[in-house]
Amino acid sequence: RKEVEQDPGPFNVPEGATVAFNCTYSNSASQSFFWYRQDCRKEPKLLMSVYSSGNEDGRFTAQLNRASQYISLLIRDSKLSDSATYLCVVNVKSNYQLIWGAGTKLIIKP
Amino acid sequence: DAGITQSPRHKVTETGTPVTLRCHQTENHRYMYWYRQDPGHGLRLIHYSYGVKDTDKGEVSDGYSVSRSKTEDFLLTLESATSSQTSVYFCAISESGAGGPGEQYFGPGTRLTVT
Repeated sequence: RKEVEQDPGPFNVPEGATVAFNCTYSNSASQSFFWYRQDCRKEPKLLMSVYSSGNEDGRFTAQLNRASQYISLLIRDSKLSDSATYLCVVNVKSNYQLIWGAGTKLIIKP
Repeated sequence: DAGITQSPRHKVTETGTPVTLRCHQTENHRYMYWYRQDPGHGLRLIHYSYGVKDTDKGEVSDGYSVSRSKTEDFLLTLESATSSQTSVYFCAISESGAGGPGEQYFGPGTRLTVT
């Protein structure tokens, strides 16, 4: 079992819709959680950190469920520019390393 | 955008040849990382550095070595390239370390093809 698992998609969603995807992690001692965004043939960039109480940044909402060991990302009022691959990232140890999911591909259609 | 460059951006090389990829940062961040990215896999850590001349292995370090003689430069060497090392290589930097890394900033990547 992979340490961090994501549905690879693609999720095909009409513009303006709400979309959500989850990421599960296997290590209950995981400490820090992040969502990164990666555009085609580009480098990953931090979208948002995920806090225990959940957090929101504009149209994006991240949630953490420690009991079930998953994090989620909700995108409201999706835009064409939201089309990208979304990477779930977990820090499972107190060291310098992050564990990356393989990503969920999102395609927003006009 | 964070000041991170990678060179070369694209390279085609033959099996058995040594290859060195360079990562250069202007942010003065302490921590630097080399990842590879392949279809169906998340980013996988090859090696990382937590200071000048301080490096350690990551998840997929076999066949790779690194060096960091200056804060701003982190070199990745494929000692004898194999076709399985065809990949996209990303360099990343971060400020935090103890207690876990926070945000990592990535370079634009190097596309390496080993024929």
